This record gives sequence, structure tokens and C-alpha cells, in this order.
Amino acid sequence: ILNVEQSPQSLHVQEGDSTNFTCSFPSSNFYALHWYRWETAKSPEALFVMTLNGDEKKKGRISATLNTKEGYSYLYIKGSQPEDSATYLCAFITNAGKSTFGDGTTLTVKP
Amino acid sequence: GAVVSQHPSRVICKSGTSVKIECRSLDFQATTMFWYRQFPKQSLMLMATSNEGSKATYEQGVEKDKFLINHASLTLSTLTVTSAHPEDSSFYICSASLGGGPAGTDTQYFGPGTRLTVL
Repeated sequence: ILNVEQSPQSLHVQEGDSTNFTCSFPSSNFYALHWYRWETAKSPEALFVMTLNGDEKKKGRISATLNTKEGYSYLYIKGSQPEDSATYLCAFITNAGKSTFGDGTTLTVKP
Repeated sequence: GAVVSQHPSRVICKSGTSVKIECRSLDFQATTMFWYRQFPKQSLMLMATSNEGSKATYEQGVEKDKFLINHASLTLSTLTVTSAHPEDSSFYICSASLGGGPAGTDTQYFGPGTRLTVL
């Protein structure tokens, strides 16, 4: 069983705050890391697919970085808005094609 | 674009019956579809990967005779939970990708999930 951990488990911030959370994964057999946003009662939405050490990707106010050597990825949200409230999941993919999801970080943004 | 639907969204059945869940890619052709299960307070766990026209590849510990997967067309995959028991009660969710390989770098588009309760 591959250990993929996300921290914190939950996070409450005020509207306008910037925030970040972590996905930790094994540093061996890395192939790709996916980030998803999952709003309540909706389908998980793909945010980023990251493959290269040092990768940095951005989508609007959300960005992510990747460090495959030490086995972590950070997701940043700048100027959080209530509509950013969701559970953010990461999925670690090995070079054998096996995918393991983290438990997610649930973000609540208060107006 | 890239919308995936699942039906039904919620199903309650008696122990011993079989339940079929459909996963459809509405506006694209999905070479590969994935089925996941999520127990309460746990993460999504991949059950199987299916490519159109071929047998599904099941993850270790997933009984292929209990969870029958059919991917007969590029827009439809079905998961049938056969002889369901209360321990099969879970949230089942599918995803689809355009690629033909394992869950690697292809973007996955998820359905909204199906909540199965077996009495």
C-alpha cells in the first residue's frame, strides 16, 4: 500500500486569505501527480497533472508545485473566495500505472 | 465539454440482488474508464481500469466475479455489483480519459458518483 498523505485534513480561512496545503507521496517510482477539486454534490474536477520535478502550474488563483525528489507537492490558493470551498485531492501515479489518492484537504472559505 | 454522467445517483437494494451502475461520457469518446470506490472517511480507491472492447484490469483485492465491468462502447461502461451484501455499501465513482493507457498523465473526467446502500 502506497502512503499518500494530505495535510491539513481541513482548513478554515477568511475570504481574501491565501492558503496552501500539502500532498506527500513516496519519492520512488514516481510517474505523475494529479490534483483535483471536489465540491460537495459535484464531480471531482481535474486541476493539474504534474510530471516533472520542479514543475509549477497555475490556473487562475490556484497554483501547484512539485518536488519528486523529496516526495511532496504544494497547492496554493491566492485570495481565497467562498467558491473555492471544496475538498482538494491529490493522486500519486507510479511508473507501473498504479494510482493512489490522498484523503483530501477540505477547505472552507468564510465570507 | 468533457462531461461524464453516472446513473443511478443513489440506489438501495436488498442483500443478494445485483445492481448495475452506468457511466457515460456525454461529449467525448473515452478509450479508458476507471471505477473507484470510497468508503466513509476514506480516500478514493481504484477498483479497475477498463479499455473499450477488452477485459477490465482489476486492482489487487477486487473480486472480478463480484464486480463485473463492461466497456462495450467508447461512451459507456457499466459496473455490476453481483449478489450485493451490506459490506458492498459504498460510494462508487467512475472516471473517463481520452488516452488508452493506465492512469498516468491523461486528465480524468469524473462522474458524480453512485451511493449504494445494501440492506
